[in-house]
Amino acid sequence: NFLLTQPHSVSQSPGKTISISCTRSSGSIASNYVQWYQQRPGSAPTPVIYEHHQRPSGVPYRVSGSVDRSSNSASLTISGLETADEGDYYCQSYDGSNWVFGGGTKLIVL
Amino acid sequence: QVQVVESGGGVVQTGRSLRLSCAASGFTFSNYAMHWVRQAPGKGLEWVAVIWYHGGNEKYADSVKGRFTISRDNSKNSLNLQMNNLRVDDTAVYYCARDSVPYSFSGWFDSWGQGTLVTVSS
Repeated sequence: NFLLTQPHSVSQSPGKTISISCTRSSGSIASNYVQWYQQRPGSAPTPVIYEHHQRPSGVPYRVSGSVDRSSNSASLTISGLETADEGDYYCQSYDGSNWVFGGGTKLIVL
Repeated sequence: QVQVVESGGGVVQTGRSLRLSCAASGFTFSNYAMHWVRQAPGKGLEWVAVIWYHGGNEKYADSVKGRFTISRDNSKNSLNLQMNNLRVDDTAVYYCARDSVPYSFSGWFDSWGQGTLVTVSS
């Protein structure tokens, strides 16, 4: 099995841009799709990116996903930060055998 | 609209059993694989189990293998998780989640319930 490692927290001001990384411990990050989920306090997770960079219906264009083979990492980028973006963000991938989540990153918009 | 609603959580002592249920609506339940994902208090997400859309196969995380059993009743649009020999570290909110594509695995979960809390006390 592989691990997905995320920073514990990130913070930024409204209107700015942040990126959250998700580094895969073994195997190529690009070999299996990466998803991202947002979880607001007291709520269930909801997908914000699937298949590396696809946005589910209703997710704004200011939310984007990418993969960097050189660092073996995926990234979630949110521009034009809003207070409603606050919450925990989890990356997730499936290698055909196991569904793996990153440890989660708390996004603080202050 | 797609909806999944979990039930059955509660407080139970170590070594005892509990059965969770998930009621699905708004989609053709029998076409989709279904998962259980859990989240310990203040912790991250952990995938627990999956059952194929037809119910003929299941897969489990190592942490619950041999203790938990996932099942479904496609005639009733319901998903279940039988949890036996519960341990303190099974304490978590348990979410029912739908796989995003029919008749296969996409690798991700497009619809989640609100979860049901299971507390295992010693």
